[in-house]
Order: sequence, then C-alpha cells, then structure tokens
Amino acid sequence: GAGVSQTPSNKVTEKGKYVELRCDPISGHTALYWYRQSLGQGPEFLIYFQGTGAADDSGLPNDRFFAVRPEGSVSTLKIQRTERGDSAVYLCASSLSPFWASGGLDTYNEQFFGPGTRLTVL
Amino acid sequence: AQKVTQAQTEISVVEKEDVTLDCVYETRDTTYYLFWYKQPPSGELVFLIRRNSFDEQNEISGRYSWNFQKSTSSFNFTITASQVVDSAVYFCALGDLSGGGADGLTFGKGTHLIIQP
Repeated sequence: GAGVSQTPSNKVTEKGKYVELRCDPISGHTALYWYRQSLGQGPEFLIYFQGTGAADDSGLPNDRFFAVRPEGSVSTLKIQRTERGDSAVYLCASSLSPFWASGGLDTYNEQFFGPGTRLTVL
Repeated sequence: AQKVTQAQTEISVVEKEDVTLDCVYETRDTTYYLFWYKQPPSGELVFLIRRNSFDEQNEISGRYSWNFQKSTSSFNFTITASQVVDSAVYFCALGDLSGGGADGLTFGKGTHLIIQP
C-alpha cells in the first residue's frame, strides 16, 4: 500500500513569505505528526494530531507556525513570515492510534515517516 | 523532561565487522517505548524496532540485535557482520502515553554509520 507522502519535496522561498507544506498519511492512520530536522540533528517534534484535533502542539516554535487537519486525513503545516532559521527538512509521520486496554492506554504504535519537504528560506 | 543521548556521532568500520550503536535515555515515566530508526542517504526514516519498558528481553532480527537494560537506561543496537548497505544514520527515540495519547517522539542526534568495503 501507499506510504506517507509529502508535497512539495523541495520548497525555496524568500524571507518573509508564507509557505504551506502538505502531508498525506497512510490510509486508516488517525494519528499524524510533524517534525523538523535540521542538518546533522535528529527530528524535533512540532505537533501531533489525533483525528482532526491537535492533541499536542507544544513543539511549535512560535506563533508563525500553524497546522491543520480539517478532515482527519491530509494535514497542512503553515509557516508565516518565514525566516532563514526555518530552513530544514519538515517530516510528517502517521501511525495507528494507541489502544485502550483495561489498565489505560496500551501500545505506542510505530510511526511511519514520509520523505520530507526540504524548505530553504533565502 | 525526556532526553535521548547517542554519544557516538560517527562510526566507521570495515565490512563484516560487528558494530554496536549506543543509546541512553532519560524519562520520569514508568511506561515508555523505545525505538530505533534508520535514515539511509535517500533520507526517509525507516522503522526498525519498538520496545516497551516492561519488556527487557533482548531481540534478534537477522543480523540486527537490540539490548535493553533498564538498570542503565540503555537500548543499544548491534549489527553483526556489517554490510555496505547498512551505511546510514541511525536514530534512537523515546515515546510515552502520559499525555493521554501517543505523544511525539524524542529523538537522539543520531549516529552516522559508515561501512567501508
């Protein structure tokens, strides 16, 4: 089956411009994550959606960053007034939701990552 | 706060050697999950293994094996008889369910593994 897809694969923009990055998760995956990976670093968590709602947006660096997932499938990460420091690879991942067991939440399912969008802000 | 440390920035070995990638983690949660991902030169992260904090059994999958030790908060990854195709950046990551859902993973900085022919 199809994996996680992200568009565009590359985006070059000028400082101060607005950009949108799109993520198409694996069909049936209700959990969706955005990460940012700078050169030589591990992915850094930005935001997590469970269905249509943002369950945790604590990783968004500031209010220039915003993400939506209106129908619980495709998600868009939006960056306003881009800065050179925003240059990075933006990764999207999806997973099955954790199961509810008798003792509480059970099983943190593995996340499947897309190929990323390389954003360059000039 | 959660933290994952991969102290080895880069490892270079000759093909067929065994190599171990270290991972040390910090968390206050009693239930947590550990992961290893591979990032080949193509860039896409590939899931390798998941382990929960209640299962300390070592796991072997072909040439790959993982050693989880809660006493030292480590989750090390060994490749036996390494091959050139194993060359990649390997990431260790930590996740938990304490926030009422599967919160975002905390990744280490990665170890760049170079297998020389």
